[in-house]
Amino acid sequence: QSALTQPPSASGSPGQSVTISCTGTSSDVGGYNYVSWYQQHPGKVPKLMIYEVSKRPSGVPDRFSGSKSGNTASLTVSGLQAEDEADYYCCSHAGAYNVFGTGTRVTVL
Amino acid sequence: EVQLLESGGDLVQPGGSLRLSCTASGFTFSNYLMAWVRQAPGTGLEWVSSISPMGDKTAYAGSVKGRFTVSRDNSKNTLSLQMNGLRVEDTAVYYCVKGSRGEYGEWGQGTLVTVSS
Repeated sequence: QSALTQPPSASGSPGQSVTISCTGTSSDVGGYNYVSWYQQHPGKVPKLMIYEVSKRPSGVPDRFSGSKSGNTASLTVSGLQAEDEADYYCCSHAGAYNVFGTGTRVTVL
Repeated sequence: EVQLLESGGDLVQPGGSLRLSCTASGFTFSNYLMAWVRQAPGTGLEWVSSISPMGDKTAYAGSVKGRFTVSRDNSKNTLSLQMNGLRVEDTAVYYCVKGSRGEYGEWGQGTLVTVSS
């Protein structure tokens, strides 16, 4: 049950795009189309941004998109805005359990 | 409106026990898989345990298996986490979450568990 691997940090200027990777194995990310992404602002509760790899819950801007290739999932935030500065975590179903990523801090320059 | 309210967090000594509870409202509790997710201070999220809608199936992270027990009372809309043999590394905010397969659309505000001598 090892954590999924994410880059510690990512950054972009307002209006630019940033992509965060989430690397697992064939037992988790590669084996299931149940990858989700969470946004967490400091001191706040995590918020679901993407589920089932690429679906957005109601109310999440379409600037947020998800994809997957093999054992790696990705979250892209297009048209970066100041309020997108936060920590982002991926999560994958892995059959008998679920596993989160190590987290990525996104900074808007 | 879905509400998840955790309680039971406290300061406990290593080796001690604690029971967390989560009271749910705003949805048909017995229809949904529930789970616990924790976050140690300054670190990332960790899935802890899940329980099926009827409570007949449970799952645990390797780090807590054999020490933690998840249960639910659908008549009281309550989710519980019995934590025994607590370790310093169990110190975290514990969140009650609604959802399945790692996809949690609803979170409680969390309850802080501190394990320290």
